[in-house]
Amino acid sequence: KNEVEQSPQNLTAQEGEFITINCSYSVGISALHWLQQHPGGGIVSLFMLSSGKKKHGRLIATINIQEKHSSLHITASHPRDSAVYICAVTGNQFYFGTGTSLTVIP
Amino acid sequence: KAGVTQTPRYLIKTRGQQVTLSCSPISGHRSVSWYQQTPGQGLQFLFEYFSETQRNKGNFPGRFSGRQFSNSRSEMNVSTLELGDSALYLCASSPNSGFLYEQYFGPGTRLTVT
Repeated sequence: KNEVEQSPQNLTAQEGEFITINCSYSVGISALHWLQQHPGGGIVSLFMLSSGKKKHGRLIATINIQEKHSSLHITASHPRDSAVYICAVTGNQFYFGTGTSLTVIP
Repeated sequence: KAGVTQTPRYLIKTRGQQVTLSCSPISGHRSVSWYQQTPGQGLQFLFEYFSETQRNKGNFPGRFSGRQFSNSRSEMNVSTLELGDSALYLCASSPNSGFLYEQYFGPGTRLTVT
């Protein structure tokens, strides 16, 4: 049983496209995190949110607590956005999605 | 500020041995969490330490243990290594406990068990 489901698993986009990655969860949470992992393993935290919407540059994250769903949007995608994006939810521990592998083609 | 550091970066051990991994958090951060990442299972939470106390724990067997020192540095120990313990082990630090703070991840220790 997966507490966190992400879609799509793989995504290829042309540079400049608008990208959406979805995350659904089945457990009660205190917060939801979006993480970015580049080849080589390094993980960077993009967002932590418990309600509403957050924006950093070209990245936007939203969460709907009632529907247990979150989305990560990337506007005007760029090849440097190519990475694995991981959704994680926290209660008394972390539950991770399996990740979405994004490739942005110039 | 210096980031989260982990040592060693790479490690090869033999089945049945034990291993200790080290994590130094960002200065001022008091919470350290440990994670295992494998191709098959993805990222999984091991445990979190705050103020030298284990605060939260994932679903791993007792062979996986950890501790935190008064300077917030943390170590993770795996005893009686199994082939399936081959993984990237990541630690992350945050200012406080409870996962309501941004997690700052280290580069990881890649453990290979032969």
